[in-house]
Amino acid sequence: DGGITQSPKYLFRKEGQNVTLSCEQNLNHDAMYWYRQDPGQGLRLIYYSQIVNDFQKGDIAEGYSVSREKKESFPLTVTSAQKNPTAFYLCASGGLYEQYFGPGTRLTVT
Amino acid sequence: KNEVEQSPQNLTAQEGEFITINCSYSVGISALHWLQQHPGGGIVSLFMLSSGKKKHGRLIATINIQEKHSSLHITASHPRDSAVYICAVYNNNDMRFGAGTRLTVKP
Repeated sequence: DGGITQSPKYLFRKEGQNVTLSCEQNLNHDAMYWYRQDPGQGLRLIYYSQIVNDFQKGDIAEGYSVSREKKESFPLTVTSAQKNPTAFYLCASGGLYEQYFGPGTRLTVT
Repeated sequence: KNEVEQSPQNLTAQEGEFITINCSYSVGISALHWLQQHPGGGIVSLFMLSSGKKKHGRLIATINIQEKHSSLHITASHPRDSAVYICAVYNNNDMRFGAGTRLTVKP
């Protein structure tokens, strides 16, 4: 089946710890994206990558880091510098004008 | 002001009712998307529009490029339509999202 997988679905961490969220796609898309969703707000772009070994900051990149070593994979690290990390994180991949979303990871930091 | 505004924020309907969700945007766009997010969180694309109207089953989406406005209609609504509906616009390799409309359809 073609699609995007994110793991885990739920993640709990203590404040001060870095945590990495996984995103894998087998849709052969060059572009991949990470979004954050908070209650009552639209999705906000954290980072995106148009091609392997290249990525760009989105609107809210502070406190996050990414890598794109393989076309299929675009992991997101939430660092201890992110002030409000508790949120729902969505990964997407896409072609022109369109994006396909993964099931999301709900991160809770206490 | 957000670039993509949706209304209403929340909508409760009785099964069978006709539903309309509105989206207004303030930027030039290449395409507009209507997305559906179920309680589990996953998002699926319902429509991609650049002009006119599209229909899929009980769902109809329209767009007026001059007025920068789109509507999503659901005919004969059903409890399984309960979800958050998100409007997103594509512009200059960038997607911008509305905050979503939470629809609850009661039996």
